[in-house]
Amino acid sequence: QKEVEQDPGPLSVPEGAIVSLNCTYSNSAFQYFMWYRQYSRKGPELLMYTYSSGNKEDGRFTAQVDKSSKYISLFIRDSQPSDSATYLCAMKSSSNTGKLIFGQGTTLQVKP
Amino acid sequence: DSGVTQTPKHLITATGQRVTLRCSPRSGDLSVYWYQQSLDQGLQFLIQYYNGEERAKGNILERFSAQQFPDLHSELNLSSLELGDSALYFCASSTHGTGAYEQYFGPGTRLTVT
Repeated sequence: QKEVEQDPGPLSVPEGAIVSLNCTYSNSAFQYFMWYRQYSRKGPELLMYTYSSGNKEDGRFTAQVDKSSKYISLFIRDSQPSDSATYLCAMKSSSNTGKLIFGQGTTLQVKP
Repeated sequence: DSGVTQTPKHLITATGQRVTLRCSPRSGDLSVYWYQQSLDQGLQFLIQYYNGEERAKGNILERFSAQQFPDLHSELNLSSLELGDSALYFCASSTHGTGAYEQYFGPGTRLTVT
């Protein structure tokens, strides 16, 4: 079993829809929870991060972490065609290394 | 553009060969990370260097090795290549110490082993 599980999709939604992306994990040592976005043929870029539990909002994006359930989510409001990409969740323990554990990635397509 | 550069962009080679992938981190970043991305395994951490020293290791094969030079650029060496080594190899760098979660990824090197 992988440490981080993420449904690869693909997920197809109409423009303006609310998108929900999720990951589950098994390692209770994870303290940092990130969402990276990867456009086709590009490297991943950090979208949002959350430390420990709670919610974080940035514009149309909201990240949620529920450590008791070992479950994290990314919500995208008013989705745009430019949001079409692969979204990767990533996690890290509080150790003094930058080793990130990534989910498989969910491919999102937002149709105009 | 993240500021991380990787060369070459594409590499096609035969089984049994050896290749070297190169990475230049963002200006001022001391940490360099290498990741492998394949369709079946996803994005997997290979190794981290911080200011020339190995800091963390993932599931990196013994046939693979890396180093970070005094000018902070890094190289990933892959030897005795197998078909299964075909993948995208990303380099990332970070500013804030050795445990940074915010990593800036380069455009990747696509390796095809035939």
